[in-house]
Amino acid sequence: EAQVTQNPRYLITVTGKKLTVTCSQNMNHEYMSWYRQDPGLGLRQIYYSMNVEVTDKGDVPEGYKVSRKEKRNFPLILESPSPNQTSLYFCASGRDSTDTQYFGPGTRLTVL
Amino acid sequence: QQQVKQSPQSLIVQKGGISIINCAYENTAFDYFPWYQQFPGKGPALLIAIRPDVSEKKEGRFTISFNKSAKQFSLHIMDSQPGDSATYFCAAAYMSWGKLQFGAGTQVVVTP
Repeated sequence: EAQVTQNPRYLITVTGKKLTVTCSQNMNHEYMSWYRQDPGLGLRQIYYSMNVEVTDKGDVPEGYKVSRKEKRNFPLILESPSPNQTSLYFCASGRDSTDTQYFGPGTRLTVL
Repeated sequence: QQQVKQSPQSLIVQKGGISIINCAYENTAFDYFPWYQQFPGKGPALLIAIRPDVSEKKEGRFTISFNKSAKQFSLHIMDSQPGDSATYFCAAAYMSWGKLQFGAGTQVVVTP
């Protein structure tokens, strides 16, 4: 089944404790992206990757890191999480930014 | 710097009625305008998309109208059904840019 998977689905952590949210797709897509969703603000792009080893900042990259060492995986790293990073995070993939984006199920992160 | 402005924030429509959601954009380079539908607890899923070389696209009960000169596009949901109750997001992108810009979302509630 074609899908985007994210782990974990739910995470409660404390300020400053490094964490990684994994994202994997099995559709051989070149393009992958991370978004955060907050009430009233919609989906805001954090980082995107046009293909392996190529990543670029979206609209809200501060406090986040990503890597794209292989086509299928695009982890999101929070080196020192803060409470303002409490949000619902979605990973997505597609052939490129102007093609259908397939979204993962989301990761709800709470930073205390 | 939200480049895609979406209205209204929420909408209540009776079963059988028409739901209309509007979006406006600034960047004339955008050449891909998708609409995503999101149900509670799920990731967004592509509903319908349009490119600026056409003024209207229809898929079943869903129609996108596109006005290039006004830099506006809208989603019409005809014969709205309770199962259409969801949050709808418009978005815009252009291929060489890599970013996908989303509107803030519209929560649609269809009453029986």
